[in-house]
Amino acid sequence: AQSVSQHNHHVILSEAASLELGCNYSYGGTVNLFWYVQYPGQHLQLLLKYFSGDPLVKGIKGFEAEFIKSKFSFNLRKPSVQWSDTAEYFCAVRTDSWGKFQFGAGTQVVVTP
Amino acid sequence: DTAVSQTPKYLVTQMGNDKSIKCEQNLGHDTMYWYKQDSKKFLKIMFSYNNKELIINETVPNRFSPKSPDKAHLNLHINSLELGDSAVYFCASSPTSGNTIYFGEGSWLTVV
Repeated sequence: AQSVSQHNHHVILSEAASLELGCNYSYGGTVNLFWYVQYPGQHLQLLLKYFSGDPLVKGIKGFEAEFIKSKFSFNLRKPSVQWSDTAEYFCAVRTDSWGKFQFGAGTQVVVTP
Repeated sequence: DTAVSQTPKYLVTQMGNDKSIKCEQNLGHDTMYWYKQDSKKFLKIMFSYNNKELIINETVPNRFSPKSPDKAHLNLHINSLELGDSAVYFCASSPTSGNTIYFGEGSWLTVV
């Protein structure tokens, strides 16, 4: 069955620490991959996306993600987080056969001062 | 200008009532969606319309009925509201190519 898995439900880290959030999907064909962020009380906003080409994608606010096809993964990273990065992060996958954007369960990230 | 706008933003209502949430997008997209986000932040697709035609209808009670009068609008009507319907409902849109999905600001529904 089609699925998107995010490894961590909750992550707590200090400012300036590095962040890596895992995302795996189950689909063997061509995929479009996304990371969205939801700040407290707000809607989902696009951080970055991957369709093709360079598997290392850079997004807004210093985030980047790496697509590893052999591992069906699209992990999100940020070298040094800030308190303002406290938010819920969602991985999403879209394929032509699914016809929809499938979201992972989300990872709540809390950055402490 | 807000790209995907939905109203109302907050809605508190009693069990058994009928309510509607409206959504409009000015991005020229062909596809619109309704997602439900529960208290655990899990985001689940409910419906998807492409050019006013229903293309995705996940396992949603019949009490939920979407209506798309044109491709820029997708409204959600809910009959006989139940406590479990309390959630945040997000409208979204994307071009037919599906290269990105854009979300509205959400409608916080509380059923008491």
